[in-house]
Amino acid sequence: GAVVSQHPSRVICKSGTSVKIECRSLDFQATTMFWYRQFPKKSLMLMATSNEGSKATYEQGVEKDKFLINHASLTLSTLTVTSAHPEDSSFYICSARAGLYPQETQYFGPGTRLLVL
Amino acid sequence: ILNVEQSPQSLHVQEGDSTNFTCSFPSSNFYALHWYRWETAKSPEALFVMTLNGDEKKKGRISATLNTKEGYSYLYIKGSQPEDSATYLCAFDRGSTLGRLYFGRGTQLTVWP
Repeated sequence: GAVVSQHPSRVICKSGTSVKIECRSLDFQATTMFWYRQFPKKSLMLMATSNEGSKATYEQGVEKDKFLINHASLTLSTLTVTSAHPEDSSFYICSARAGLYPQETQYFGPGTRLLVL
Repeated sequence: ILNVEQSPQSLHVQEGDSTNFTCSFPSSNFYALHWYRWETAKSPEALFVMTLNGDEKKKGRISATLNTKEGYSYLYIKGSQPEDSATYLCAFDRGSTLGRLYFGRGTQLTVWP
């Protein structure tokens, strides 16, 4: 159980275009979903946290107008990178948790590698 | 910025060897420590959530210990197998209602047959 899917797994786009990444919890309802970014040889860095039906909470330094997060249902969250630039090229990975307790396990998707040309 | 350090960065061992690596985290505001196993091109897999000082958890040949007073956790793998090759991540949990985790960079383990 506790499977999270993420699509696409890889995407290449031109500078200035927008890219949408989907994160789905397949066998549980996710009260909270998280979006992380990982640059080469760095740790996973949280970008934002989203709860179903409410606005996402962004980490300091993450532009909310550039990284649009929509958590429309208990099984789906999307991250849209708007007007992507080469510096947005990175590995983006989502996670989801079912409950509300802080120590609950987050279940991860397999990630999306974004390359902006 | 909250610092979570993992060492070593990478490790190469022979099949059958036992190995261990370290996760260091702040000893204040501790709520939980999460361990994940991440194979290439797959989703990180949750191994353990540890909350109590002195905790020891086990899953097959993998076990972990926790010292919250000094801020470290060890992950042990007994009799390593090639299928244990992966990156092992730890994440510090301060218990925020938002569920924010602070990850280390991971230890990349390669087990040679």
